[in-house]
Amino acid sequence: NAGVTQTPKFQVLKTGQSMTLQCAQDMNHNSMYWYRQDPGMGLRLIYYSASEGTTDKGEVPNGYNVSRLNKREFSLRLESAAPSQTSVYFCATGGAGARGYTFGSGTRLTVV
Amino acid sequence: AQSVTQPDIHITVSEGASLELRCNYSYGATPYLFWYVQSPGQGLQLLLKYFSGDTLVQGIKGFEAEFKRSQSSFNLRKPSVHWSDAAEYFCAVGAGGNKLVFGAGTILRVKS
Repeated sequence: NAGVTQTPKFQVLKTGQSMTLQCAQDMNHNSMYWYRQDPGMGLRLIYYSASEGTTDKGEVPNGYNVSRLNKREFSLRLESAAPSQTSVYFCATGGAGARGYTFGSGTRLTVV
Repeated sequence: AQSVTQPDIHITVSEGASLELRCNYSYGATPYLFWYVQSPGQGLQLLLKYFSGDTLVQGIKGFEAEFKRSQSSFNLRKPSVHWSDAAEYFCAVGAGGNKLVFGAGTILRVKS
């Protein structure tokens, strides 16, 4: 089925460790997004990519980096994880136009 | 800047009762508006969307929403709630550059 695939689904990190969250879409969309979801705060945009080769900061980019590897893949990297980065991370593709977004199933990250 | 307010953090309704979830937005131009639903441990699924035309839009699972420009609102309704509707609901507005801005969410509980 067409959609958005995120890996891993769960991860526990120690403070200071690094990791990369992977996201791939097979919907042939140009735009991809990374959001984090925290209780009572909805979804907040971390980074987005309007097209292959471009990335831009969202609302909460500090502590994160991204790579748009090709049209399908958009990864999110935590270089030195902090407890404040404990959250559920969602990747999405699509746009605010006719399609809206399609979301992945999320990565639940805990930093201890 | 665009913003979305969902005034109710939690709502509890009885199975079979009607439902209305409130959403107010702030946006200078004609908005693109969306409602998403998130079941526990899952990603977000698009329920319905408004771009233009008829202000009453129908979505999946028997949901509908009405766009009222004068009140800057896009409330979600369902005539008869089922236990399977228990989930968290997010309203979103299309911001510039294909980005969506989300509200903080409303958690719906259904009592039998």
